[in-house]
Amino acid sequence: DARVTQTPRHKVTEMGQEVTMRCQPILGHNTVFWYRQTMMQGLELLAYFRNRAPLDDSGMPKDRFSAEMPDATLATLKIQPSEPRDSAVYFCASGPQPSYSNQPQHFGDGTRLSIL
Amino acid sequence: QQQVKQSPQSLIVQKGGISIINCAYENTAFDYFPWYQQFPGKGPALLIAIRPDVSEKKEGRFTISFNKSAKQFSLHIMDSQPGDSATYFCAAFNQAGTALIFGKGTTLSVSS
Repeated sequence: DARVTQTPRHKVTEMGQEVTMRCQPILGHNTVFWYRQTMMQGLELLAYFRNRAPLDDSGMPKDRFSAEMPDATLATLKIQPSEPRDSAVYFCASGPQPSYSNQPQHFGDGTRLSIL
Repeated sequence: QQQVKQSPQSLIVQKGGISIINCAYENTAFDYFPWYQQFPGKGPALLIAIRPDVSEKKEGRFTISFNKSAKQFSLHIMDSQPGDSATYFCAAFNQAGTALIFGKGTTLSVSS
């Protein structure tokens, strides 16, 4: 069963530290999404890529967040420096494009990030 | 205009009852409306989806009702079971858009 794999599953670090979250999309999917989930805001789209090119990162705080796809099998989301307000669950999702009909986005199980 | 408004925020239903979650949207360009189910510690997973050319879609105990003129759609869970206890998200998408727009979610608890 094809899955989106995210690492690490949990991360606890101190404010000011760099955090890197990784995502392995499903093989053959050419769109990759990063979402952040909090109780207050729900699921927020941070960035998305199509064919490894960033298409929209308007949901991301540019001064501290960066998202990249070094190759088709790896997407990364970095926070530097991290702040307590960044504590959330970060989800990666992948899908073929256009991502609807019978081929929806597939989500990973998330990285639960706690910034102390 | 890009928002999807979901209600209620939380819902408690007795086993065997009907759970109903509602969503409303503004952007008439949306042309795909999925519902996702999320269990604790897991990512959202597609449950059922509908296109605006039909008014209802049923898969097992799950039904989406769609009202294009009112720009509303709802999820009905018939014969609700404790295993249905999860958070449900409605979403909307359009082919020319960027990505799924999610509602804020509804936490469903089915009591046995």
